[in-house]
Amino acid sequence: NAGVMQNPRHLVRRRGQEARLRCSPMKGHSHVYWYRQLPEEGLKFMVYLQKENIIDESGMPKERFSAEFPKEGPSILRIQQVVRGDSAAYFCASSPGNSGETQYFGPGTRLLVL
Amino acid sequence: AQSVTQLGSHVSVSEGALVLLRCNYSSSVPPYLFWYVQYPNQGLQLLLKYTTGATLVKGINGFEAEFKKSETSFHLTKPSAHMSDAAEYFCAVSEGGGSQGNLIFGKGTKLSVKP
Repeated sequence: NAGVMQNPRHLVRRRGQEARLRCSPMKGHSHVYWYRQLPEEGLKFMVYLQKENIIDESGMPKERFSAEFPKEGPSILRIQQVVRGDSAAYFCASSPGNSGETQYFGPGTRLLVL
Repeated sequence: AQSVTQLGSHVSVSEGALVLLRCNYSSSVPPYLFWYVQYPNQGLQLLLKYTTGATLVKGINGFEAEFKKSETSFHLTKPSAHMSDAAEYFCAVSEGGGSQGNLIFGKGTKLSVKP
């Protein structure tokens, strides 16, 4: 059973470009969480999704950031018009449910904005 | 609101010595508590978790943690450190009792192990 997959592992963008980060949850998991890790900081929750639904986006910046988890295919975290402050490691986690279930993390995507 | 405080951003121990990483939490509902480990440039790996029941939880790689409600603590220990334990450790809390499960993380503690 493959773990949580994220791609790309590293992404370099210039200011103003778009960044698309992909996350494939573990087989059988229908809950996906996105977290952001800034240097010297812990992970901060961004958004929680189930298939075709955003359940909680309280941690998402109000502008330029969006997330989806379509019926088919991976979850996508999209950052439009990136700025240098978006440089961070973005982690996806998945779980089979949401009631205290263990979240399994992917290896992360390290975004660098030049 | 829930929060997690990890005391000590860096901890250094000698190989074979006791490892103690501190975590205190605040939560208005019964918490679920987790410890994750992160090796450089990798994702997080679950060490152990507490949901309900026995307050002393054993995890992988010889680590264990004890939930102490009266002290709102969930400290991580290992009797004898190995060089391979050098990594960053994160304590996290989520709401228990069937509530939404997004995790609130502490800022992490970097563990160094000296030969």
